[in-house]
Amino acid sequence: AQSVTQPDIHITVSEGASLELRCNYSYGATPYLFWYVQSPGQGLQLLLKYFSGDTLVQGIKGFEAEFKRSQSSFNLRKPSVHWSDAAEYFCAVLIHDMRFGAGTRLTVKP
Amino acid sequence: DTAVSQTPKYLVTQMGNDKSIKCEQNLGHDTMYWYKQDSKKFLKIMFSYNNKELIINETVPNRFSPKSPDKAHLNLHINSLELGDSAVYFCASSQDFPGLADEQFFGPGTRLTVL
Repeated sequence: AQSVTQPDIHITVSEGASLELRCNYSYGATPYLFWYVQSPGQGLQLLLKYFSGDTLVQGIKGFEAEFKRSQSSFNLRKPSVHWSDAAEYFCAVLIHDMRFGAGTRLTVKP
Repeated sequence: DTAVSQTPKYLVTQMGNDKSIKCEQNLGHDTMYWYKQDSKKFLKIMFSYNNKELIINETVPNRFSPKSPDKAHLNLHINSLELGDSAVYFCASSQDFPGLADEQFFGPGTRLTVL
């Protein structure tokens, strides 16, 4: 079945540490790929997106993601996490409509 | 200015009631959507509307009906509310047809609680 998988339900990192959130998809074609962030009680904000071209995409708030076709992955990274990054992160793919992963909750320790 | 707005932000009601959630976008987009986010934070698309035409209707009960009075609005009507309808409902919009490479802009969500 076609799906979007975020293997990590909850991740805790220390402030200043690096971060990687995993996302895998299983679709026949290469979909359009997105990462959204949802702060508590807020809507979703787009961090970055991949449509084609350079497989390393830069987003807002210092985030980047790398598309790896061979691994069907689109992992989100940040070199140094800030306390304000604590939120829920959603990977999404767009084929005919938008499909979201289950989300990864990020906790940042002082 | 808020790009995509929803009202109300919170809605608490009893089973069996009929309620509506309103959504407005001021981005001039052609397509609007409704998503449901359950208690486990799982987001699932319910509807999309393009130029007043329903494009996608997932396996959503017919108690739910989207109504679009104009391109800038897509309201969600829910009849005979059930406990399982409790969730956060997000409205979104995009410039193009769903399926085209296009960012979706989300509203702040409406938290519906059915007692």
